[in-house]
Amino acid sequence: GQQLNQSPQSMFIQEGEDVSMNCTSSSIFNTWLWYKQDPGEGPVLLIALYKAGELTSNGRLTAQFGITRKDSFLNISASIPSDVGIYFCAEEYAGNMLTFGGGTRLMVKP
Amino acid sequence: DADVTQTPRNRITKTGKRIMLECSQTKGHDRMYWYRQDPGLGLRLIYYSFDVKDINKGEISDGYSVSRQAQAKFSLSLESAIPNQTALYFCATSEGRGHIGYTFGSGTRLTVV
Repeated sequence: GQQLNQSPQSMFIQEGEDVSMNCTSSSIFNTWLWYKQDPGEGPVLLIALYKAGELTSNGRLTAQFGITRKDSFLNISASIPSDVGIYFCAEEYAGNMLTFGGGTRLMVKP
Repeated sequence: DADVTQTPRNRITKTGKRIMLECSQTKGHDRMYWYRQDPGLGLRLIYYSFDVKDINKGEISDGYSVSRQAQAKFSLSLESAIPNQTALYFCATSEGRGHIGYTFGSGTRLTVV
C-alpha cells in the first residue's frame, strides 16, 4: 500500500518560534491534506492542496504541494501554546480514500 | 451535539472479551470509516462502508468486524480482544467522491489488559 513518511516525529519548541514539518510519498498523488489533532480529540482538516507547486495559507499556517507531487510541507509561523497537538499529512486516492502519515507531535513551551 | 459521536470514550477490557465500539453521525454522509491510531504509526484504516449494504476491509482488519446498522450508525467489534489491540480508535464520515476531507469523532481509548 501507499506509504507516507512524515518528519520530524516530534518537536519541542519555544512559543514564538516558526515550525516546519514535511511529508514524503513513495507514489505520486493529486491531493495533499494536512490535519491537526488536538489532545483528546479527533483530527480536523487544516489545509487541502490540489496541484503541484500550490502554496496555500490558513492564518499562521502555510502548506505547499511539492513540484514532484511526492512531498508536501507545512509551516507554522510564530507558534502559540494552542498549536500543541499532532499534525498529520494525508493523501487522497481511489476517489475519497485517505492514507495518513505517522504524524508530527508538536509541543510548545510558553 | 457533535457531528460524529463515539461511545464509549474510554474502555478497559480483559483479554478474550468481546467488545463493541459505537459510532453515530448527524452529517447525513453515506461513507463511514474506522481507524486505529498508534503512536508513530498515524491512522490506519480498519474497515469502511460506502453505504448501508457495503462493507470493505481496510489495511488492518484482522481481529475486527463491523456492522452498518443504518446510514447514521457504524459499529466496530473486537470478538476476542487481545493486548495489542490497545489503541485509540476513530470513526470518521465523508460525503464521498469530489468532496475533500473526513469528519472525525473524538475517539475511543481502548485498553486490553
